[in-house]
Amino acid sequence: DAGVIQSPRHEVTEMGQEVTLRCKPISGHNSLFWYRQTMMRGLELLIYFNNNVPIDDSGMPEDRFSAKMPNASFSTLKIQPSEPRDSAVYFCASSLANYFPDTQYFGPGTRLTVL
Amino acid sequence: RKEVEQDPGPFNVPEGATVAFNCTYSNSASQSFFWYRQDCRKEPKLLMSVYSSGNEDGRFTAQLNRASQYISLLIRDSKLSDSATYLCVVIQNTGNQFYFGTGTSLTVIP
Repeated sequence: DAGVIQSPRHEVTEMGQEVTLRCKPISGHNSLFWYRQTMMRGLELLIYFNNNVPIDDSGMPEDRFSAKMPNASFSTLKIQPSEPRDSAVYFCASSLANYFPDTQYFGPGTRLTVL
Repeated sequence: RKEVEQDPGPFNVPEGATVAFNCTYSNSASQSFFWYRQDCRKEPKLLMSVYSSGNEDGRFTAQLNRASQYISLLIRDSKLSDSATYLCVVIQNTGNQFYFGTGTSLTVIP
């Protein structure tokens, strides 16, 4: 099993640019989660999907952030325009749960640096 | 008040020592609890679930204290490889909310 796959692993961009992070969940998992981790704030849930439908996006910081899950095997997190304070590690995770968050399997993360 | 709180540490302990961390939660409706481990610059990985009756896995013991609203993780005979950050996760049935703690850093010293 390949596990959760994220790309790119590292991204360096300049302020104002659009950034797109990608995630492929584990096959058969019904829930997908996007997190942001910083030293100051720890691990923050941004949004999660169940059966490709966004369930809770209350953690999305602002309108600059958007997430989509067009099918069961792919999701994107987009930041437009990016700002230096968006610099963080962004994790995608998936779980088997149909309805209730259960054991989550994390991808390796995307380390984003916005200059 | 935060939903979940952990002492960030760092905890620096010698090899072979026993160390324990707590994680307190604010909502008494919380139903499910987990401990995750995160190595430096890696992703979090599930360490163990926390059951009402307690849960033991080798040198690791997780316990739940509902009356005082905290979970604990006990590590016996610490190994160098136990050095990591330990995150607790609390899941509430109400509103399908779940929360990660900010983690407790452990360094096991030779």
